[in-house]
Parts: sequence; C-alpha cells; structure tokens
Amino acid sequence: DGGITQSPKYLFRKEGQNVTLSCEQNLNHDAMYWYRQDPGQGLRLIYYSQIVNDFQKGDIAEGYSVSREKKESFPLTVTSAQKNPTAFYLCASSKEINTEAFFGQGTRLTVV
Amino acid sequence: AQSVSQHNHHVILSEAASLELGCNYSYGGTVNLFWYVQYPGQHLQLLLKYFSGDPLVKGIKGFEAEFIKSKFSFNLRKPSVQWSDTAEYFCAVNASDSWGKLQFGAGTQVVVTP
Repeated sequence: DGGITQSPKYLFRKEGQNVTLSCEQNLNHDAMYWYRQDPGQGLRLIYYSQIVNDFQKGDIAEGYSVSREKKESFPLTVTSAQKNPTAFYLCASSKEINTEAFFGQGTRLTVV
Repeated sequence: AQSVSQHNHHVILSEAASLELGCNYSYGGTVNLFWYVQYPGQHLQLLLKYFSGDPLVKGIKGFEAEFIKSKFSFNLRKPSVQWSDTAEYFCAVNASDSWGKLQFGAGTQVVVTP
C-alpha cells in the first residue's frame, strides 16, 4: 500500500525524556511536514522539509528537532525542552513543495 | 502576520441544509488553496484544491469552493448536507512568498443532525 506511516499510534513518556516519532512515506514525495494538532487550534506547523538533507522551522519549532537523511523518512524528536508536549502529532508529505499534502494517521503523545 | 482565518469554530445544522464555511488568508503573491476534512477517527483527507484557472472548484462528496482574490477568501460550500458530513473542516494555504510552508486554519467543527 502506498501512503504515509506514523508509528506508534499512541506513545507515553515520562516528563524530561526525549521521544522520537517516526514518519515514513513510500509515495516518492519530495516534501514532508510535521504538525501538531490541539483542540481549537487547528494544525500548527512544527518543521517542514522540501528536499532530502534540508528542513525549515515552522511556527512552533521550539523544543522539537528533525532530520531528513532519507527521502522517505522524516522523524520528529520531542525534546525535554518542549513545555507542553502532550498532543496529537501529524506527519504529511507532498509531491512538490506547493502541491497538496497527504497525511498519516497521527501519533498521540502523552507525557506524564 | 501571515495567517489563515476560519470564521466559524462550530456549526450545527440539519440534514438537507446548505453549508458555507468561510476562509480568509493574509498572504501576498500567488497562493495555492486547499480544504481538508477530518471525519471522526480518521486521518485528514483532501476535499478540494485551487492552484489556478476557474476560481470555482469542485471537490469530492459534492463540495465546492470559490476563490475570490480581491477578498483573499476561499469559502467552502455544499448545497445539501448529509449526516455523514459531520466532521472537522480545515482551510490551508501555501503561498509563493514561502512555498513549502503549508499553513492551516483553526478548523470548523460541523455537526449535521438527522
């Protein structure tokens, strides 16, 4: 099946620990994105990558880090510096930087 | 500041009623515009998109949207909703002054009652 795979679906971590969320796509898309979805706030852009080995900060990058070493993979690390990490995280990809994005099923992260 | 605004946060309507959801953006230059839908428990899906050409675009499930450049708007419409249209709807913009930075509005929760 072609698509975007985020894993795991649910993730629990203790406060102070870094955690990495996985995102893999087999659509041969150049661009990839990470969003955070909170009730009433829509999707807020964390990081985006237009091409391998390149990525840009979005609106709420503080406390997060990413890498884009392979075209199909764009992992997101939620660091201990992120003040409110509990949220629903969505990964997306698009064929080019200005075309429609396709979304994964999301990872719900709970930090206790 | 660049932004995407969706005017209604919650909309409740009866089956067969008409739906119109507002979306305004504040980006300059060329824009690519999108409406996405998130049904309960499902991932975000593209409803329709506008890149250029006819400003009235048709999407899936009977939805359409009209791009009005002078008003910086891209409103979503459906003439007659069904119970299955209950979902959250998001407007999104990708602008030429920041290609790749796909920005979303806060979303509108639509509830259709039988």
